[in-house]
Amino acid sequence: GAVVSQHPSWVICKSGTSVKIECRSLDFQATTMFWYRQFPKQSLMLMATSNEGSKATYEQGVEKDKFLINHASLTLSTLTVTSAHPEDSSFYICSARDLLAGRYEQYFGPGTRLTVT
Amino acid sequence: DAKTTQPPSMDCAEGRAANLPCNHSTISGNEYVYWYRQIHSQGPQYIIHGLKNNETNEMASLIITEDRKSSTLILPHATLRDTAVYYCIVRVNDYKLSFGAGTTVTVRA
Repeated sequence: GAVVSQHPSWVICKSGTSVKIECRSLDFQATTMFWYRQFPKQSLMLMATSNEGSKATYEQGVEKDKFLINHASLTLSTLTVTSAHPEDSSFYICSARDLLAGRYEQYFGPGTRLTVT
Repeated sequence: DAKTTQPPSMDCAEGRAANLPCNHSTISGNEYVYWYRQIHSQGPQYIIHGLKNNETNEMASLIITEDRKSSTLILPHATLRDTAVYYCIVRVNDYKLSFGAGTTVTVRA
């Protein structure tokens, strides 16, 4: 149980284009999903928190107009990197909590590696 | 949030127990100790969490000192697949996890 998937697992895009990353909870309903970013040899950094049906809460320093998050259902959250630049190249990871089951631990997706050329 | 201190790295032999320490001297009474690990190029994996009692599950055991200022994650029989970065995180309820540098554990045959 508590499986989270991400799609795509890796993507290469050209500078200036937009990329959408999907995060799905496969066997539970996720009222809250989190998006993290990890640069090489660094730890994960929380970008934003999204609650189903409401606007995402972004961490300080994260541009909400550049990283668009939509959490339209209890099993799907999407992160769109708009007008991507090479410095946006990173490992993007989502996580979800199964609060309906009373479980507070986070379950992470496998990550999406974004390379912007 | 209470800050945690972990050794940057440690080696252990395959088949032996791996004991990973974590100091959290400023932990508050309602904060839990969570452990996650991240295998290279994968998303983190939840291991275990506890408040003040020792906890055990199929992956590991968590030993929390009586004063709650430190804890130890125990992998009872380390395998090569346990090579990963292990993160000790102190939070009220796992919301908005803050990942530090963690401990890079290398299990050697």
